[in-house]
Amino acid sequence: DAGITQSPRHKVTETGTPVTLRCHQTENHRYMYWYRQDPGHGLRLIHYSYGVKDTDKGEVSDGYSVSRSKTEDFLLTLESATSSQTSVYFCAISANQQGNYGYTFGSGTRLTVV
Amino acid sequence: GESVGLHLPTLSVQEGDNSIINCAYSNSASDYFIWYKQESGKGPQFIIDIRSNMDKRQGQRVTVLLNKTVKHLSLQIAATQPGDSAVYFCAEAYSGNTPLVFGKGTRLSVIA
Repeated sequence: DAGITQSPRHKVTETGTPVTLRCHQTENHRYMYWYRQDPGHGLRLIHYSYGVKDTDKGEVSDGYSVSRSKTEDFLLTLESATSSQTSVYFCAISANQQGNYGYTFGSGTRLTVV
Repeated sequence: GESVGLHLPTLSVQEGDNSIINCAYSNSASDYFIWYKQESGKGPQFIIDIRSNMDKRQGQRVTVLLNKTVKHLSLQIAATQPGDSAVYFCAEAYSGNTPLVFGKGTRLSVIA
């Protein structure tokens, strides 16, 4: 997706290990979001950021932390991965909270915790 | 494969027919609504949006209808094509300062 990239695209990790997912944008948008997508649940908000070093929790924040040290990067960390965190993770960006034309999403990271 | 679609309601339509995908939203105070399309292995993509001061908005082959009385949103796709096969999500925003909240999605399957 133009202007937003996620890395890695796929990752398999063991239970109890730390994992960091990266979202990088080139749009200079103020807002960045991390969602997880699971069967039967749709997209659920984990954390979001409304500026450098400004973050807030979403609906399913337990077990996750985030950091945003510069406008273009938003990192999602699983301090100690569990099998329940196996999911597809999407990053999104927007110029404002609601987004003019909604949010722009990355291509996702498929994380498997074994 | 696309594991996120395993438990979704599915709508199957013949190519060329019109499709109607429905969404019940949760908050009567929501004032902005968006429909997204998600193809297998990709992130959601914006289709069309509507503000609460409108009840209908049209795009290219798509129309969104908003019924605030019953908190219902629908997406109509005219002359459905195989490329329309995807999962469709509605999203709502409660106010200008809260993130979008997404529905669980509907899978549209187009039969050629």
